[in-house]
Amino acid sequence: QVQLVQSGAEVKKPGASVKVSCKASGYTFTSYDINWVRQATGQGLEWMGRMNPHSGNTAYAPKFQGRVTMTRNTSISTAYMDLTSLRSEDTAVYYCAAFHYYASGSFDYWGQGTLVTVSS
Amino acid sequence: QSVLTQPPSASGTPGQRVTISCSGSSSNIETNYVYWYQHFPGTAPKLLIYRDNQRPSGVPDRFSGSKSGTSASLAISGLRSGDEADFYCAAWDDRLSGRVFGTGTKVTVL
Repeated sequence: QVQLVQSGAEVKKPGASVKVSCKASGYTFTSYDINWVRQATGQGLEWMGRMNPHSGNTAYAPKFQGRVTMTRNTSISTAYMDLTSLRSEDTAVYYCAAFHYYASGSFDYWGQGTLVTVSS
Repeated sequence: QSVLTQPPSASGTPGQRVTISCSGSSSNIETNYVYWYQHFPGTAPKLLIYRDNQRPSGVPDRFSGSKSGTSASLAISGLRSGDEADFYCAAWDDRLSGRVFGTGTKVTVL
């Protein structure tokens, strides 16, 4: 079955960086974009950007441009999200997700989420 | 910072019908498909509706989606206690060139 398995929780100090991984299985990793979505404490879902695992091309939400980098290692079907210059407002659960929709069906899978806590 | 606006809460008694609205603009809902998710805290969001009104396999027909102009709605009929969760709409936004989510609606079963 399709699975996206993310790395474990992280605690970081303000100004540091965090790298979250997302390992895909059960489908061809390069077939669908990997998106990153976060939910800050008490807030709603927020799209951060997406990466095409085949080409490596990325598109980032304006809010995160300059601070986020999305990469992949196709040999191990793993995507990464690197967020720099962390501040307390970045404390959130970070999800990777692959979604693609057809007239006859949908492909919509999410990782289990990774809690990133930014605290001095 | 959410581009799509939802009511913060909605409620109903078991068996009732609840409707959640999602208000957007010409750069998102009016010109792109709408998606609806159910989110239980601590778990991954679950897709309920895609392409405005399509249900993925396994989602009961108690859940239905509709769209008109710059607004969309999710209806839950035959409300059950297990439906208590947060619900989010989502759509592609042409101006932002990215996916946008709604502000979220917490559904309570009284």
